[in-house]
Amino acid sequence: QKEVEQNSGPLSVPEGAIASLNCTYSDRGSQSFFWYRQYSGKSPELIMFIYSNGDKEDGRFTAQLNKASQYVSLLIRDSQPSDSATYLCAANNAGGTSYGKLTFGQGTILTVHP
Amino acid sequence: NAGVTQTPKFQVLKTGQSMTLQCAQDMNHNSMYWYRQDPGMGLRLIYYSASEGTTDKGEVPNGYNVSRLNKREFSLRLESAAPSQTSVYFCASSAQGPSNQPQHFGDGTRLSIL
Repeated sequence: QKEVEQNSGPLSVPEGAIASLNCTYSDRGSQSFFWYRQYSGKSPELIMFIYSNGDKEDGRFTAQLNKASQYVSLLIRDSQPSDSATYLCAANNAGGTSYGKLTFGQGTILTVHP
Repeated sequence: NAGVTQTPKFQVLKTGQSMTLQCAQDMNHNSMYWYRQDPGMGLRLIYYSASEGTTDKGEVPNGYNVSRLNKREFSLRLESAAPSQTSVYFCASSAQGPSNQPQHFGDGTRLSIL
């Protein structure tokens, strides 16, 4: 069973709308969560990370974490066509020998149409 | 600032050939990682090195070997390439510290095994 699950999409939203990307994880020992954006043919780039329950905002992006329900989400406000990419969710379990390792979901393809 | 540099960017091999993928980082990071990315599979960890002098298996280590040459360099070797190893390979690095240390990725190596 995959430890980090994402809906592969594609998720299609109109320009200017809010895009909501969701991720669930199975390992309760996971402590930090990362969202990466990956354009086609490019490498993943970090958008933001979160490790405390609640919301964390950075510009048009808001990450939300609910450890009790084991889900993390990313909201993109005022979506732009340039936001069209694959979004990867990753979980970090810093306990024991897994220190520093990330487990990635399969990614959600987001398409923002004009 | 180069960040994480991978060479080569593209490579075509015949089944049974060997090759080494090179990775170097200039961010003074302690930890380095090798991933492969296949369509619909997200990023899967092959091997990682938590610090200079140590290496550990990840999720999909079979058919690969690694060497942490020094703090900057971490190489991935395919001893006898197989078509199943056709993939995009990413190297990443991160600082050590609290579990919220993000990983920074290189541009990737696109490898085809015929």
